[in-house]
Amino acid sequence: GAVVSQHPSRVICKSGTSVKIECRSLDFQATTMFWYRQFPKQSLMLMATSNEGSKATYEQGVEKDKFLINHASLTLSTLTVTSAHPEDSSFYICSASGGTEETQYFGPGTRLLVL
Amino acid sequence: GNSVTQMEGPVTLSEEAFLTINCTYTATGYPSLFWYVQYPGEGLQLLLKATKADDKGSNKGFEATYRKETTSFHLEKGSVQVSDSAVYFCALRKDSGNTPLVFGKGTRLSVIA
Repeated sequence: GAVVSQHPSRVICKSGTSVKIECRSLDFQATTMFWYRQFPKQSLMLMATSNEGSKATYEQGVEKDKFLINHASLTLSTLTVTSAHPEDSSFYICSASGGTEETQYFGPGTRLLVL
Repeated sequence: GNSVTQMEGPVTLSEEAFLTINCTYTATGYPSLFWYVQYPGEGLQLLLKATKADDKGSNKGFEATYRKETTSFHLEKGSVQVSDSAVYFCALRKDSGNTPLVFGKGTRLSVIA
């Protein structure tokens, strides 16, 4: 199947700093990418949907100024957690879709710990 | 709105036991249904899927049948192995690949030798 990578896989940062997470589709063009957040022992919660070249659509309750999403190319989307706080500590997962293709492919996730 | 309900875990089984993880959904129309698996420390992997009623998805000995009459997509495996220990997520998607998945809460399976 198609491969989606995320970088970094794990990051620890101090409160107040910003962290950028990259999501790349390695062998297909991802017209749409999704960002999810997973709390320990819970399901994935959709944060936002991003289409290449346009602004991301955020789910209700997700602060767009705090979680900046950029989908500048068909193979790369980035999520920047600005002014991170301990409550932002979580597992962030992206997925990518090539359009009408039924399957979404998930990245391995990025574990963020804010001290 | 659309939602997925799956049985709460954790589920602990002995090796070679029969596995069933129940999943029911609420959605208008005809969603596509999926089972994803998350092994410890890893991201989600698609296990199987079904896109229309009465379709059966299968992979690695796992099966699930899309039952519209009961709005269910139960996951089954006849003989589990220790390597099947993971968290299993049932999910639906209403439209094409450009729409997000709606996940159940996940069911943790532990298989002991």
